[in-house]
Amino acid sequence: DTEVTQTPKHLVMGMTNKKSLKCEQHMGHRAMYWYKQKAKKPPELMFVYSYEKLSINESVPSRFSPECPNSSLLNLHLHALQPEDSALYLCASSQDPGQGTNIQYFGAGTRLSVL
Amino acid sequence: GQQLNQSPQSMFIQEGEDVSMNCTSSSIFNTWLWYKQDPGEGPVLLIALYKAGELTSNGRLTAQFGITRKDSFLNISASIPSDVGIYFCAGQLYGNQFYFGTGTSLTVIP
Repeated sequence: DTEVTQTPKHLVMGMTNKKSLKCEQHMGHRAMYWYKQKAKKPPELMFVYSYEKLSINESVPSRFSPECPNSSLLNLHLHALQPEDSALYLCASSQDPGQGTNIQYFGAGTRLSVL
Repeated sequence: GQQLNQSPQSMFIQEGEDVSMNCTSSSIFNTWLWYKQDPGEGPVLLIALYKAGELTSNGRLTAQFGITRKDSFLNISASIPSDVGIYFCAGQLYGNQFYFGTGTSLTVIP
């Protein structure tokens, strides 16, 4: 099983709303990622968690707040977003972050629209 | 972050034709990955390559890990309409560092 599950599939929110994106994997992977993707562009890395600790934050605005409650779950809390934050948000996971070779598996994404 | 050079940017081909795309980098990678992405969906892993010179097939897809470890290519033989989508390469440097190519958009004309 190489499944990464993301919910919800679609989300529409106003600029004053607070919402959360959820991601779950049961592959025993110890690294989890959030990416933002605009149409026909490659995914842009936002955050990386290794062993449930935030290891990379790619200078993401504070209106995006990640959380890793345990090794299987990853959340992205959203608050006071802007219309330009509308995008496909992808979660991914990979095996032991300390390994030399690694494979990354992606979820189906959450299509976010900010009005 | 680092981005890999992927070419061509787009391709329009007739059904049944073969397709070739490649990815180059100035860095050496430990792993090369090829993904396909349909509109509104997440990237799906097609092939993973682990060693320089490695040639791996998955059905009609064949990919190679360049001997210099700085490039990789993907071939699709006898294309069919469901091959339509955007193909991304990704290089894994070490640990959890992954870098993506700019993507190749494939259109198959029936």
